[in-house]
Amino acid sequence: QKEVEQNSGPLSVPEGAIASLNCTYSDRGSQSFFWYRQYSGKSPELIMFIYSNGDKEDGRFTAQLNKASQYVSLLIRDSQPSDSATYLCAASDSWGKLQFGAGTQVVVTP
Amino acid sequence: DARVTQTPRHKVTEMGQEVTMRCQPILGHNTVFWYRQTMMQGLELLAYFRNRAPLDDSGMPKDRFSAEMPDATLATLKIQPSEPRDSAVYFCASGPRLARYNEQFFGPGTRLTVL
Repeated sequence: QKEVEQNSGPLSVPEGAIASLNCTYSDRGSQSFFWYRQYSGKSPELIMFIYSNGDKEDGRFTAQLNKASQYVSLLIRDSQPSDSATYLCAASDSWGKLQFGAGTQVVVTP
Repeated sequence: DARVTQTPRHKVTEMGQEVTMRCQPILGHNTVFWYRQTMMQGLELLAYFRNRAPLDDSGMPKDRFSAEMPDATLATLKIQPSEPRDSAVYFCASGPRLARYNEQFFGPGTRLTVL
């Protein structure tokens, strides 16, 4: 059973602080990794993907991948109330199928 | 702008009725995925297609669900007969033809309620 695990939260973050989200995956054959943001009642929105070990930065978001530890993380710098959402981690196999985690709810407090 | 579209956005039906959901992938995308999302199970992959050919539908209850892609601009998911446990949000996602990293883009979803 291929699994992607995330803490469900809620993760409460003061406005302006850094939100740190973690994800682990069980399938060592996973090729690439994705972070989706999902607002309540809306569809998942792709915000970042990463496929090589190390860090990848895009604006206020940084994704980190450690394949040896089977660990993916997402940092959100200067958190804003608009960042309050559920963040879904996903791992892709070689066929392009995504396995999603249950999501971490982030609440940014003013 | 390029988006996945889904119809209907909301559907309320009675148990035993047939439900058909439609998806138009982003123009030029050649992979299409159907997901179901519930509070209890999260996002589950039901079926997916590449170049209109079904590649995997192992996540789909075969006795009542069927997925097809009659042409490159239309994917359908059908439930017959529907049951209350099918109540969920059904998402379609599509991926680019030259996707190197298997990224997928989601449509707005169809919220299905079976009474």
